[in-house]
Amino acid sequence: GENVEQHPSTLSVQEGDSAVIKCTYSDSASNYFPWYKQELGKGPQLIIDIRSNVGEKKDQRIAVTLNKTAKHFSLHITETQPEDSAVYFCAASRDTGFQKLVFGTGTRLLVSP
Amino acid sequence: AAGVIQSPRHLIKEKRETATLKCYPIPRHDTVYWYQQGPGQDPQFLISFYEKMQSDKGSIPDRFSAQQFSDYHSELNMSSLELGDSALYFCASSFGGNTEAFFGQGTRLTVV
Repeated sequence: GENVEQHPSTLSVQEGDSAVIKCTYSDSASNYFPWYKQELGKGPQLIIDIRSNVGEKKDQRIAVTLNKTAKHFSLHITETQPEDSAVYFCAASRDTGFQKLVFGTGTRLLVSP
Repeated sequence: AAGVIQSPRHLIKEKRETATLKCYPIPRHDTVYWYQQGPGQDPQFLISFYEKMQSDKGSIPDRFSAQQFSDYHSELNMSSLELGDSALYFCASSFGGNTEAFFGQGTRLTVV
């Protein structure tokens, strides 16, 4: 089955800096890669996703890159703000129906003012 | 915009009791997924339903069962509760199985 590894487990940055979170996956059949932000006591919130036919996707301060050959995808947050502080999860699934997301272990991002 | 609604938000049960968690998907979403998240852990897939039929199964204990009803809401039934069942239980929904899944706020189950 799919296995998703995520690094780092914690990340502390200063406000305005960039943050990068990296994930690797094992199942070459996976082709859908969402990123979720989870604040304390809340459910995961989808912030951006990418499919395997795209190498990069950007939405304002957030971007995701995908390298299918290396089975590697990354989340980039620019101009970080204190409200970006949360736990971020990457995930992977086979987008062939009834997606069953396999999550990474999460990255706790702390943005200091 | 309407989101996934889960009830109750918090639930305290004793060992060996039974619990029922409910999930109301986003309107017009026909697929529901259940995940379990232990303290400090990533969400683990339990089970999913599409058009009222079980579509996929993950690491769901035999003590748990779930179903999706004609109005697309879903219920997760948990029997013979154990201390290790204490966790956040999330429901997510999507339109079909090939689109983005949106999560509810979760039910925090505490077994004492």
